[in-house]
Amino acid sequence: GAGVSQSPSNKVTEKGKDVELRCDPISGHTALYWYRQSLGQGLEFLIYFQGNSAPDKSGLPSDRFSAERTGGSVSTLTIQRTQQEDSAVYLCASSSSGTVNYEQYFGPGTRLTVT
Amino acid sequence: AQSVTQLGSHVSVSEGALVLLRCNYSSSVPPYLFWYVQYPNQGLQLLLKYTSAATLVKGINGFEAEFKKSETSFHLTKPSAHMSDAAEYFCAVSLTGANSKLTFGKGITLSVRP
Repeated sequence: GAGVSQSPSNKVTEKGKDVELRCDPISGHTALYWYRQSLGQGLEFLIYFQGNSAPDKSGLPSDRFSAERTGGSVSTLTIQRTQQEDSAVYLCASSSSGTVNYEQYFGPGTRLTVT
Repeated sequence: AQSVTQLGSHVSVSEGALVLLRCNYSSSVPPYLFWYVQYPNQGLQLLLKYTSAATLVKGINGFEAEFKKSETSFHLTKPSAHMSDAAEYFCAVSLTGANSKLTFGKGITLSVRP
């Protein structure tokens, strides 16, 4: 079936504006992850959703970042009052659930540029 | 807590030569270990994973890795490099259990010379 999709693929925004990034996970995958890839910090975990459990937000860098997952499927990552240091590629991944650590399937990412 | 160290940021090999990309990990519990590859302007693709079964793991595209607990290492190898192997490679670790977020190393860029 289809893989993880993300939109938009590229986003250019002005400093101080809010942005929303969308992730459509693989159908049936109950776990969803957001990561950020930047030149200075490498690949960093941001947030993790697992079914109906409370999300693990331990990787969110500031309170300007938030994410939600509606209906256990699509997720939106929102960055408020964007700063230049938010420029990065935002990657979404999904996996099937269970007590064993399953493979995470990654989307192509959204490249965010804050000017 | 867990962490991954990938020494060096760039490796260059000749086509047909051995590829060796090093990864060392730190984990408070028996880890799950992964190697991902990223081609330019693409997402991450899983090459192989160690999940406490066989210590020698074979992956796609002829890559393999060996888990060595005594050395806390999970180095990636391929006997003969192809031009198509040029990409960025990431080693990652996660804890067993419900929270399976990945902690990545800094990544290594592999170049293959003709």
